[in-house]
Amino acid sequence: DAKTTQPPSMDCAEGRAANLPCNHSTISGNEYVYWYRQIHSQGPQYIIHGLKNNETNEMASLIITEDRKSSTLILPHATLRDTAVYYCIATTNFGNEKLTFGTGTRLTIIP
Amino acid sequence: DTGVSQDPRHKITKRGQNVTFRCDPISEHNRLYWYRQTLGQGPEFLTYFQNEAQLEKSRLLSDRFSAERPKGSFSTLEIQRTEQGDSAMYLCASSSPPGSVGLAGELFFGEGSRLTVL
Repeated sequence: DAKTTQPPSMDCAEGRAANLPCNHSTISGNEYVYWYRQIHSQGPQYIIHGLKNNETNEMASLIITEDRKSSTLILPHATLRDTAVYYCIATTNFGNEKLTFGTGTRLTIIP
Repeated sequence: DTGVSQDPRHKITKRGQNVTFRCDPISEHNRLYWYRQTLGQGPEFLTYFQNEAQLEKSRLLSDRFSAERPKGSFSTLEIQRTEQGDSAMYLCASSSPPGSVGLAGELFFGEGSRLTVL
């Protein structure tokens, strides 16, 4: 799996869009970008994933640069419940067995 | 089915004792994973099963650790002769096979079993 780099922490005002960056400059052509988050004292929760195209679901949007070396997770209207550690993972496997989580970005939503 | 279930949620033990954790995956999932998470770190892969077969083990899984999934449903993770360095959250996850129609291949995690070794 390609190494990913994320800022250790970020703050965002409640109701604003939270934009979480991830660098994966060594990503290979068959590696997907997955995002998970972990709310305090809970297990990680899948958010979204993508390969080349931008993706959107009910939780978030994922913007992947054309060269695929970086991506941004967007939470369009952040709420206090979005306070969590967000992990960006690059992996070849679909339904894979060995995710490499790293230390993620601790996002704090401020009232 | 309400998701992946883990038991116990918390376990405090003395060094040298054995402990066992149980994981009940989402019923239709044939893949089951164990991860370990220490304070301030992301989860680290330990091992995974497809049905009852244990297909991969991390180097983190020393010979004091053993995982089983005897009937391809629930799984147990046993730690023998616990050490203080084993203190961590042990996370279980399950998933459907890759390429399953309509699914993203994501892992569904339980809430974890927190182990404290005194």
